[in-house]
Amino acid sequence: GNSVTQMEGPVTLSEEAFLTINCTYTATGYPSLFWYVQYPGEGLQLLLKATKADDKGSNKGFEATYRKETTSFHLEKGSVQVSDSAVYFCALTNFGNEKLTFGTGTRLTIIP
Amino acid sequence: DTAVSQTPKYLVTQMGNDKSIKCEQNLGHDTMYWYKQDSKKFLKIMFSYNNKELIINETVPNRFSPKSPDKAHLNLHINSLELGDSAVYFCASSPSGSNTGELFFGEGSRLTVL
Repeated sequence: GNSVTQMEGPVTLSEEAFLTINCTYTATGYPSLFWYVQYPGEGLQLLLKATKADDKGSNKGFEATYRKETTSFHLEKGSVQVSDSAVYFCALTNFGNEKLTFGTGTRLTIIP
Repeated sequence: DTAVSQTPKYLVTQMGNDKSIKCEQNLGHDTMYWYKQDSKKFLKIMFSYNNKELIINETVPNRFSPKSPDKAHLNLHINSLELGDSAVYFCASSPSGSNTGELFFGEGSRLTVL
């Protein structure tokens, strides 16, 4: 079956630091890959996505590249802000929205 | 206007009680979901409904009974609550047949069973 593995958190960084949150996956076929973000006290919201190999998803300064050879979709941001503090979830599906599989989430805290 | 709204936001109750959580979406979506998020933030799908019909039931105990009176509402009723049911329950929706991966989540309902 499908599965998503994320780096264990929590991750604490200083403002303006470089961020990487690792995500690898196991799936049949050619899944679509996603990053969701959950800000404190809120529901999850889609941050970015990539639907085929070598695609790069980007939004709000965050980027992730679909690497089929390494089955990875690592999230990166060049300079984080305090407002980026949240829990980040990697996810995939290859059978439509009804079969979205999430990773366990990585809590990110940015200190001023 | 909140797109996906859940009530109540917080629920504290005793073991053995029965409780319900309600969800409504005003996005015109055909598909709705219930997810459970445990204390370690692990998020797992419980149910999915498409146009009032159950399409996913992920081996959830039958103490949990979803009900969809219409495609804009998906309620979750839980009988005989147990300590392990303590979690945050998220409702979500998406357009039917979509493969975009974009689900719209509510703010969650935190259930604490004492």
